[in-house]
Amino acid sequence: EAEVAQSPRYKITEKSQAVAFWCDPISGHATLYWYRQILGQGPELLVQFQDESVVDDSQLPKDRFSAERLKGVDSTLKIQPAELGDSAMYLCASSFGPGTYEQYFGPGTRLTVT
Amino acid sequence: AQSVTQLDSQVPVFEEAPVELRCNYSSSVSVYLFWYVQYPNQGLQLLLKYLSGSTLVKGINGFEAEFNKSQTSFHLRKPSVHISDTAEYFCAVSPSSFLSGSARQLTFGSGTQLTVLP
Repeated sequence: EAEVAQSPRYKITEKSQAVAFWCDPISGHATLYWYRQILGQGPELLVQFQDESVVDDSQLPKDRFSAERLKGVDSTLKIQPAELGDSAMYLCASSFGPGTYEQYFGPGTRLTVT
Repeated sequence: AQSVTQLDSQVPVFEEAPVELRCNYSSSVSVYLFWYVQYPNQGLQLLLKYLSGSTLVKGINGFEAEFNKSQTSFHLRKPSVHISDTAEYFCAVSPSSFLSGSARQLTFGSGTQLTVLP
């Protein structure tokens, strides 16, 4: 069964350092989402891509976060510089298209900022 | 805009007992409703969804949920739980209408930790 892949699974970094996460969606899925899940809370959308274009990044802290999906397939989420409050699980999800309702989630990257 | 409230942050229950996890939502538009399960250090897996039709929906692992429009609720139930059901459960909503070029986004509740005790 096709799955959303994410790496690394765990990342520990010091504050003020740069960190990057990678996501490979299910083949053929045009829509890709990045979520942040703070411990004890539900996931919150950071950015949504349709193919290589950003559809919604209204909740992305653009002073330190960036996201790209250059060829419309895999995607990278970057934080620079990392802050203590960025410690969270970062989840990637994909769906067949923007109008489809079912999203498939990857295993996530657990980020700890020290 | 939509919001989801899961009133119970933790629900302990003994094995083979029934369980209900509560979810209430608020929205100015019609919505689709979802329940997801998350095992420790894993991503989210879809348990079940309500799109339209029968208000009682059945999902995987023996779970079911009932949509109540008048009470804006979508409570999750299982008649007999197993140790393996121990996990975090998230209720989520998404607008049912879709405008081309816009985003169909999920809004999640804060989650309910279900712990099944032997």
